[in-house]
Amino acid sequence: KNQVEQSPQSLIILEGKNCTLQCNYTVSPFSNLRWYKQDTGRGPVSLTIMTFSENTKSNGRYTATLDADTKQSSLHITASQLSDSASYICVVRGQTGANNLFFGTGTRLTVIP
Amino acid sequence: GAGVSQSPSNKVTEKGKDVELRCDPISGHTALYWYRQSLGQGLEFLIYFQGNSAPDKSGLPSDRFSAERTGGSVSTLTIQRTQQEDSAVYLCASSPTQGAAGELFFGEGSRLTVL
Repeated sequence: KNQVEQSPQSLIILEGKNCTLQCNYTVSPFSNLRWYKQDTGRGPVSLTIMTFSENTKSNGRYTATLDADTKQSSLHITASQLSDSASYICVVRGQTGANNLFFGTGTRLTVIP
Repeated sequence: GAGVSQSPSNKVTEKGKDVELRCDPISGHTALYWYRQSLGQGLEFLIYFQGNSAPDKSGLPSDRFSAERTGGSVSTLTIQRTQQEDSAVYLCASSPTQGAAGELFFGEGSRLTVL
């Protein structure tokens, strides 16, 4: 069964600190994995995409990693800011099927001053 | 507009009434998705349109839910005889391609409250 699991479910950190969010998936065959950021009351917005051949990719203070062998991805946030408070959703796209997107339930991050 | 537009942004209705939610995707995007997000929960897939192909309706929770996409552009999600458990944010997303890399572009959502 194709599944995407994220941990932790929620996280509270102090402003300026780093944190790492995890995404494990069983989707196979795998096409790509995206991390989305969803601010409260808004729609999700893509932060980064990881394909099979990519191990790490950075977007500003966000760095995503992918281990396609163990089917694990992480999103590392450096020097957190209050504006990083949001839900972070891991979405895995399979290679087959018309609707081949599988969503994690997200990690709710709260950055406090 | 530049992004996905959804309307209404908020809808309060009485139990048993019908509601229609509208989604204007980004021009030229062939794929359109509807998702439901209950408070504090993840996104629940409802329905997927891709070009002129038959829609994937496998996520619709009951026959009270239906959706159409006219002319390959605007989509309407209809909920008949609303129930309190239908209360949620309904998110629409479009994508430029069904292909491997297609990013989803989400609207701001329609918040539905059934009293």
